[in-house]
Amino acid sequence: EIVLTQSPGTLSLSPGERATLSCRASQSVSSSYLAWYQQKPGQAPRLLIYGASSRATGIPDRFSGSGSGTDFTLTISRLEPEDFAVYYCQQYGSSQGTFGQGTKVEIK
Amino acid sequence: EVQLVESGGGLVKPGGSLRLSCAASGFTFSSYSMNWVRQAPGKGLEWVSSISSSSSYIYYADSVKGRFTISRDNAKNSLYLQMNSLRAEDTAVYYCARGGAVAGPFDYWGQGTLVTVSS
Repeated sequence: EIVLTQSPGTLSLSPGERATLSCRASQSVSSSYLAWYQQKPGQAPRLLIYGASSRATGIPDRFSGSGSGTDFTLTISRLEPEDFAVYYCQQYGSSQGTFGQGTKVEIK
Repeated sequence: EVQLVESGGGLVKPGGSLRLSCAASGFTFSSYSMNWVRQAPGKGLEWVSSISSSSSYIYYADSVKGRFTISRDNAKNSLYLQMNSLRAEDTAVYYCARGGAVAGPFDYWGQGTLVTVSS
């Protein structure tokens, strides 16, 4: 089973700042089958990034993903008020679609 | 428009059973894998189970293996999760989510249904 570890647990930033979120896998993620999701309180998760770096439909270009193998990064270039939320990474290439524990991006 | 609507949640005693349903519309259901993901109160997301488009491949998290059964009825555009031997730690909001044709990210999610296991 692939274990995903996200860091930091909480990121305190101001609107307009750059956010960098990390996701590290316990073993290589095949074919970059790595996704990022955003979840706001009381809502279902929303797919942001798939294939490590491809934006999902309708996702603004301030969101970008990078990485391969065991190290992946989600970058939000300039935080908008609606971006403060919890972000999860997920690997979906193996028989188990495990999630990381999440990173909360909060307003400083 | 893709829609996923879960139902069947509720309060159940430890050791009891519950069957969740997910009604899909707005896409060719039989062409996509489907998944269940849960979220305990105040906690993160936990993948529960996945089923391929033709039910040929089925996978479970270790935490539910042997107790939960995923199934689908492509004629009814519906996904199911039969949950037996429920425990307090199964208390969560259960989401159904659409996967890809083979391995794919979870691109559409339902709003979830709450399952509470308590005496």
